[in-house]
Amino acid sequence: GDSVTQMEGPVTLSEEAFLTINCTYTATGYPSLFWYVQYPGEGLQLLLKATKADDKGSNKGFEATYRKETTSFHLEKGSVQVSDSAVYFCALSDGGVYNFNKFYFGSGTKLNVKP
Amino acid sequence: NAGVMQNPRHLVRRRGQEARLRCSPMKGHSHVYWYRQLPEEGLKFMVYLQKENIIDESGMPKERFSAEFPKEGPSILRIQQVVRGDSAAYFCASSPLSRTGELFFGEGSRLTVL
Repeated sequence: GDSVTQMEGPVTLSEEAFLTINCTYTATGYPSLFWYVQYPGEGLQLLLKATKADDKGSNKGFEATYRKETTSFHLEKGSVQVSDSAVYFCALSDGGVYNFNKFYFGSGTKLNVKP
Repeated sequence: NAGVMQNPRHLVRRRGQEARLRCSPMKGHSHVYWYRQLPEEGLKFMVYLQKENIIDESGMPKERFSAEFPKEGPSILRIQQVVRGDSAAYFCASSPLSRTGELFFGEGSRLTVL
């Protein structure tokens, strides 16, 4: 079945460091891929998405490229800030047999950014 | 534009009581999902509903848990005879019907079982 695997955390970085959070997926069809972010005590918010191979999603300085050949969707940011401290979830959506969305989430990666 | 509304935000129950969690999807969304997040863990899919229909309940425990999304009113996740292991954050999300659509999440309902 479909699934998402992302690197375990926590990841601790200093401010302005480069960030990579790895995400790989398994899917039978042609899924859409997402990164969601969860700040403490809040629900998940969409950070970025890509709907087909070679698409690049970007938002707030974060980027991820849909790589079909490596089944990956790694999240990157060139210079992290303290305010980026949160839990990041990789997810895929597969339209499935009935054309309905079904989302699969990775286990989440906690990012701590120190001043 | 109201987002996904969940209530209560916090709920405390004693073992054996019932918990009811409510979710109103975003305007125009007809699909509702429930996820459970245990402390320090990721999101686990529970159930996927359309108005008056359960589409996929493969993540729901077989006993004590039920969900509905009536024609009128919010979606309700009901947990009967709660146990300490039910303590978690329960997130509702909604989406429009779209193959490339995203999920819009509520802020969650945090259930504590004493």
